[in-house]
Amino acid sequence: QQQVKQSPQSLIVQKGGISIINCAYENTAFDYFPWYQQFPGKGPALLIAIRPDVSEKKEGRFTISFNKSAKQFSLHIMDSQPGDSATYFCAGRGEYSGGGADGLTFGKGTHLIIQP
Amino acid sequence: NAGVTQTPKFQVLKTGQSMTLQCAQDMNHNSMYWYRQDPGMGLRLIYYSASEGTTDKGEVPNGYNVSRLNKREFSLRLESAAPSQTSVYFCASRNLRGVEEKLFFGSGTQLSVL
Repeated sequence: QQQVKQSPQSLIVQKGGISIINCAYENTAFDYFPWYQQFPGKGPALLIAIRPDVSEKKEGRFTISFNKSAKQFSLHIMDSQPGDSATYFCAGRGEYSGGGADGLTFGKGTHLIIQP
Repeated sequence: NAGVTQTPKFQVLKTGQSMTLQCAQDMNHNSMYWYRQDPGMGLRLIYYSASEGTTDKGEVPNGYNVSRLNKREFSLRLESAAPSQTSVYFCASRNLRGVEEKLFFGSGTQLSVL
């Protein structure tokens, strides 16, 4: 059972445009929703995150929009730059599906290319 | 300033060979994780250790074993490697403040099983 569904799988955006990546989750007990950014040959790194009691969070050109009733959240990258080209993962934090400790469940990732 | 250190960075194995991937963190984190990353599959959790002395299975544990040697070190062992284990492996440690969770990832191990 995939608890976090991410789309699109890949995305090409022109420089200066807006990149939008969407995620939907199933587990209403998730209490934290981060986005991770991964450059080729590197491990993922936390980019921005939101708690479910907030509808929007903005850090520079990166914004998370959160819709609790629809169980959806999205990442918007304004004025997209070639340096934003990377793979982006959304995640939800909650109890692992097999029980036990809490942790992050990741979406399958979006490969973003910003064309100059 | 090291963060999470993984070794080796690259490894080629023949089917049936065994190997251990090493991971160490210097941030005094309690929880550590092993993920594998495959094209189109995202990050899948293999095993995790919520604290020193404990380990638990994640989403894809078959064919792997782990050891939480101490608070710093968390190793992943492939006893009899199979081509299906060809992947990029990431170790991570966790900083947790309330519900705000931040994972710190190593730079990965690219493993090929022939």
